[in-house]
Amino acid sequence: AQKITQTQPGMFVQEKEAVTLDCTYDTSDPSYGLFWYKQPSSGEMIFLIYQGSYDQQNATEGRYSLNFQKARKSANLVISASQLGDSAMYFCAMREDTGRRALTFGSGTRLQVQP
Amino acid sequence: SQTIHQWPVTLVQPVGSPLSLECTVEGTSNPNLYWYRQAAGRGLQLLFYSVGIGQISSEVPQNLSASRPQDRQFILSSKKLLLSDSGFYLCAWSPPGTVNTEAFFGQGTRLTVV
Repeated sequence: AQKITQTQPGMFVQEKEAVTLDCTYDTSDPSYGLFWYKQPSSGEMIFLIYQGSYDQQNATEGRYSLNFQKARKSANLVISASQLGDSAMYFCAMREDTGRRALTFGSGTRLQVQP
Repeated sequence: SQTIHQWPVTLVQPVGSPLSLECTVEGTSNPNLYWYRQAAGRGLQLLFYSVGIGQISSEVPQNLSASRPQDRQFILSSKKLLLSDSGFYLCAWSPPGTVNTEAFFGQGTRLTVV
């Protein structure tokens, strides 16, 4: 079963505007972590932000924030004040505390920032 | 500080030829190690992961195998490549134990099987 779902294959945003990238997840493990990565055309995977399942506050890292809604099992990434350099693939991922500890990735969203 | 090295960066191999991709991590001990594959424009598929020397878990039955001969070395191999083995291969590591640490990725290997 799909554990991480990203329903937006592609998104466009105007420079300087905010954009939300959607991510829903499925797990029965009470302890888990949610991650967002950015992958530019070079292929490198750049870690952006982390949210733990027990964290009360939504995570923020500079222009990135994670809108964590535990009951809905969603962990959307919000990028504020988009820049041209934000154009890339964005992946949501989850690690569960039990069983294997590997990250499970969604299919990704390609974000294009337009001037 | 910790670093991860993965090579080669690009590789073109004929069908039926063997494969060996190597990944090493520096600056940490007993890392969890992972091999992922990414098809063009797609997400990352976990192939293998390892929590210690000689301990390999396979996620997807396929033409590939992995080995961990040393604590910080992870090797992806194939005896005979198939066209479907083409893709972008990423090695990654994470600290052992907790769930709240991200995985750190190598630069990746673009494999084209011709």
